[in-house]
Amino acid sequence: GALVYQYPRRTICKSGTSMRMECQAVGFQATSVAWYRQSPQKTFELIALSTVNSAIKYEQNFTQEKFPISHPNLSFSSMTVLNAYLEDRGLYLCGAGLGVSQNTLYFGAGTRLSVL
Amino acid sequence: GDQVEQSPSALSLHEGTGSALRCNFTTTMRAVQWFQQNSRGSLINLFYLASGTKENGRLKSTFNSKESYSTLHIRDAQLEDSGTYFCAALTGNTGKLIFGLGTTLQVQP
Repeated sequence: GALVYQYPRRTICKSGTSMRMECQAVGFQATSVAWYRQSPQKTFELIALSTVNSAIKYEQNFTQEKFPISHPNLSFSSMTVLNAYLEDRGLYLCGAGLGVSQNTLYFGAGTRLSVL
Repeated sequence: GDQVEQSPSALSLHEGTGSALRCNFTTTMRAVQWFQQNSRGSLINLFYLASGTKENGRLKSTFNSKESYSTLHIRDAQLEDSGTYFCAALTGNTGKLIFGLGTTLQVQP
């Protein structure tokens, strides 16, 4: 079956430092990867949508300079939170699929980021 | 902008009973996904629908694109069904998945 693994599951970083999270698709080709952040209030925000061999599209309020994303192949993506501050805390979810506009997105269990 | 309105925000059921969750969309959506988020935060895929109705065990979901809504029916609720249920709709023009605010379900003995 289609599985998406995210790691680390939890991480704590000091304010102003950076942390990298990874997303691995197993059992299917992750042509598209969408990175979301779920706030402590449970709302989901789309950070960016990445399609292999295409430019990564960032949503308003999110930038490549702050959340650089790598999507080098059909099974892996990573995102870094640079210069993390309190407002960056939350659950970061990776949703991967054959194509966002065509198919189911499978989500990983998320990386929970706490910032001290 | 595109919005997904999910209701109710919270629901309490006794074991063995059932209910329906609903999502209304403010614009035409291409498809809808339903998820259960468990206590550990994992989003579990329940359904993906581009139209019509799907059933899986004690769960059934319907997506009516023309009338801009989707429902998730739970029957014979069990304790392990507790969690937060999210619908997420795929927009027709942008291809983005937009989440509702969730329904927190508590199943009691």
